[in-house]
Amino acid sequence: DTAVSQTPKYLVTQMGNDKSIKCEQNLGHDTMYWYKQDSKKFLKIMFSYNNKELIINETVPNRFSPKSPDKAHLNLHINSLELGDSAVYFCASSRDRLPNEQFFGPGTRLTVL
Amino acid sequence: DAKTTQPPSMDCAEGRAANLPCNHSTISGNEYVYWYRQIHSQGPQYIIHGLKNNETNEMASLIITEDRKSSTLILPHATLRDTAVYYCIVRVGGFGNEKLTFGTGTRL
Repeated sequence: DTAVSQTPKYLVTQMGNDKSIKCEQNLGHDTMYWYKQDSKKFLKIMFSYNNKELIINETVPNRFSPKSPDKAHLNLHINSLELGDSAVYFCASSRDRLPNEQFFGPGTRLTVL
Repeated sequence: DAKTTQPPSMDCAEGRAANLPCNHSTISGNEYVYWYRQIHSQGPQYIIHGLKNNETNEMASLIITEDRKSSTLILPHATLRDTAVYYCIVRVGGFGNEKLTFGTGTRL
């Protein structure tokens, strides 16, 4: 069974559209994250949720809204997509104690045309 | 979190040990050293972490200098499957400090 799964794997859409990426973890972890990896391969955290509560928001535009219906899910909704949103988005999860190792999903490649 | 410096790339012969260095001269006493790797376009994978003692697990060994200003990740018998970008990350461990700040890493 996949520990951290994301859907879809690929997403191609037009500028201005609204889209969602789903993430699920079956590890029983309390904390989940969204990271963005741009075309230059820089990997940056966007959000972190612990027990459905937002604990990290790295100055991400308001067009990005994470939603955590329960501890096992953290979805990412993006409004009014822009060309610069094209990237690979990774979901991750971890438990609340050391080593806090983060388990990453396979990524969702978003292409905005 | 302290800044880290890694060489952009390294080569290693298959079957030999790969020694990947990381400089973190501004590390604080409560900051841990973590290593992750990213194989091609997959999600990053945790390798190992340590505070001040050397650590070993089934994947690798982590050697941290006594002053903690640098460390070395050792892959004892590197294979083609170890081809990846390796990230050295320094951060405070524990709840509320889970953010991983990835640098440019070392391409092995």
